[in-house]
Amino acid sequence: QSVLTQPPSVSGAPGQRVTISCTGSSSNIGAAYDVHWYQQLPGTAPKLIISGNINRPSGVPDRFSGSKSGTSASLAITGLQADDEADYYCQSYDMIVTGWLFGGGTKLTVL
Amino acid sequence: QVQLQESGPGLVKPSGTLSLTCTVSGGSISSDFWWSWVRQSPGKRLEWIGEIYHTGDTNYNPSLQSRVTISVDKSKNQLSLNVDSVTAADTAVYYCANFRNIDTGMGVWGQGTTVTVSS
Repeated sequence: QSVLTQPPSVSGAPGQRVTISCTGSSSNIGAAYDVHWYQQLPGTAPKLIISGNINRPSGVPDRFSGSKSGTSASLAITGLQADDEADYYCQSYDMIVTGWLFGGGTKLTVL
Repeated sequence: QVQLQESGPGLVKPSGTLSLTCTVSGGSISSDFWWSWVRQSPGKRLEWIGEIYHTGDTNYNPSLQSRVTISVDKSKNQLSLNVDSVTAADTAVYYCANFRNIDTGMGVWGQGTTVTVSS
């Protein structure tokens, strides 16, 4: 089954570092397809914050970073701020679906 | 800077057809981008519906392919989405978005439009 699995929630105190995992399979992340990450603030559209596994679009703070290994990818956020509180989604291409998959989303709570 | 704006009826009856339009401003729909439709259910899961290139080439989510049609109107700089035989499960916020290729992600999104399927 072609799915991307994320933890439903993560939390951290201001200033701390958190990571969000995204686990796929050999038909998507493991097949060397890139992983992209989106931040969705309440009531708004998703915003691309990491593209191509590690690249930050213009304007995205360097507190956000991405990595990928094997069939998984991770988003790290350092120096947590209150306005980082949002839902985060990973995305990758899947060769069985022959299209895009999204992870189920992770709600980040800043304590 | 390209901007996208979705529009269409907010309420559709069960078994009817959902029809939405996405207007592209600040750029041409004939530029080197793919134009996608993505929906988000009330439970917040994002689901890719399909995509189109200005040449008319399309890709659809296999789970929706039998009910979905995406088209482009170059004269109006718009793309459209039709979903046939809708049920309550099609209730969602519908977004249009663009991307250059599978290595780049969806860089521009519309604000989204809410569609409810109900009698």
